[in-house]
Amino acid sequence: IAGITQAPTSQILAAGRRMTLRCTQDMRHNAMYWYRQDLGLGLRLIHYSNTAGTTGKGEVPDGYSVSRANTDDFPLTLASAVPSQTSVYFCASSDDREGNEQFFGPGTRLTVL
Amino acid sequence: GQNIDQPTEMTATEGAIVQINCTYQTSGFNGLFWYQQHAGEAPTFLSYNVLDGLEEKGRFSSFLSRSKGYSYLLLKELQMKDSASYLCAVMDSNYQLIWGAGTKLIIKP
Repeated sequence: IAGITQAPTSQILAAGRRMTLRCTQDMRHNAMYWYRQDLGLGLRLIHYSNTAGTTGKGEVPDGYSVSRANTDDFPLTLASAVPSQTSVYFCASSDDREGNEQFFGPGTRLTVL
Repeated sequence: GQNIDQPTEMTATEGAIVQINCTYQTSGFNGLFWYQQHAGEAPTFLSYNVLDGLEEKGRFSSFLSRSKGYSYLLLKELQMKDSASYLCAVMDSNYQLIWGAGTKLIIKP
């Protein structure tokens, strides 16, 4: 692995289903983030983690949950998907939260029908 | 509320210079970032300004005026590969990045 990876690349999901988006980084970064990107809007922060074992809520956390059991992995779970969660989801990481460049994964395109 | 404003779309000619503006109103300020995002791809880091002034990096330069809540990204000697969206983001007092919607730059031959 080089950098930050996400899986799946894309997914079509029925409303009401549970879905976990996976994110893994090999840069030993402390901080990790989940964003969603919708047409005409800026990236919006869903959840973040400053370091393994801690998580925090971003701007749009409702309907999503995260965990950070170790440094490398930061999965995002949609407990019961709704059509408004149709979006492109980006995972990112940085050395820490304070003024450091964020590195982004390739994204997951999720469609909820 | 927090707000980042940048033009939706700009068009420029190959070989020319273009300036993309960004104005912001945020709760605190811990730096301003510019990212490039090609269609269907992830954003990639271009520049970071935390002090007033101009930062130059090859064909790209970024300027910041904290008193005016204003930044610009200057792209020189435009190439076709510079066709992309350019995202302005400000780090607020909670060290959270607030993102603009992006400026789609179209380069014409």
